[in-house]
Amino acid sequence: DAKTTQPTSMDCAEGRAANLPCNHSTISGNEYVYWYRQIHSQGPQYIIHGLKNNETNEMASLIITEDRKSSTLILPHATLRDTAVYYCIVRGLNAGNNRKLIWGLGTSLAVNP
Amino acid sequence: NAGVTQTPKFRILKIGQSMTLQCTQDMNHNYMYWYRQDPGMGLKLIYYSVGAGITDKGEVPNGYNVSRSTTEDFPLRLELAAPSQTSVYFCASRDATGSVYGYTFGSGTRLTVV
Repeated sequence: DAKTTQPTSMDCAEGRAANLPCNHSTISGNEYVYWYRQIHSQGPQYIIHGLKNNETNEMASLIITEDRKSSTLILPHATLRDTAVYYCIVRGLNAGNNRKLIWGLGTSLAVNP
Repeated sequence: NAGVTQTPKFRILKIGQSMTLQCTQDMNHNYMYWYRQDPGMGLKLIYYSVGAGITDKGEVPNGYNVSRSTTEDFPLRLELAAPSQTSVYFCASRDATGSVYGYTFGSGTRLTVV
């Protein structure tokens, strides 16, 4: 599976959009991009995923570049409760991917009042 | 739905003691996983299972054992606890191969070995 690169930390003002980047330059054609977040040592929470089209759900939007080498998670109106570590993961759907999921250090997002 | 339930939430063990971390899910997921997370670090896969009766090692299996006798339960066993096993343990599950849906995680077990 492809590795990902994320900034270590970011700040965002409450009520503003938070844009979290992720680089996955070695992603292969059948690998999806997933985003999770982990709030203060709780279990990671699934946010959104995508293959090549932009995606939106009730939590966030995911923008994937045309070459699929990078993506951005957008929290449109960040609140204090969005303060968390955000992980960008790439994963294929084949059985062999069970062992290969690599969790990096993620981006620590601080939403400030 | 309860999702993924882990017990206990906290535990202190003495060196050499043994214990079982319990994990159960009610989503009929085939795949289940055990991860550990050390302070300030990402998740590391200990063991995983693709269905009842089938388990396999992840990247850090030493010192641990698992079993999967039912679809719902995936307990993690520590036989001889060591200080290096002080960590937060997360159990997760997901649907079968080919599913695009993400993982569902439990709330974790915080283990301290002294």
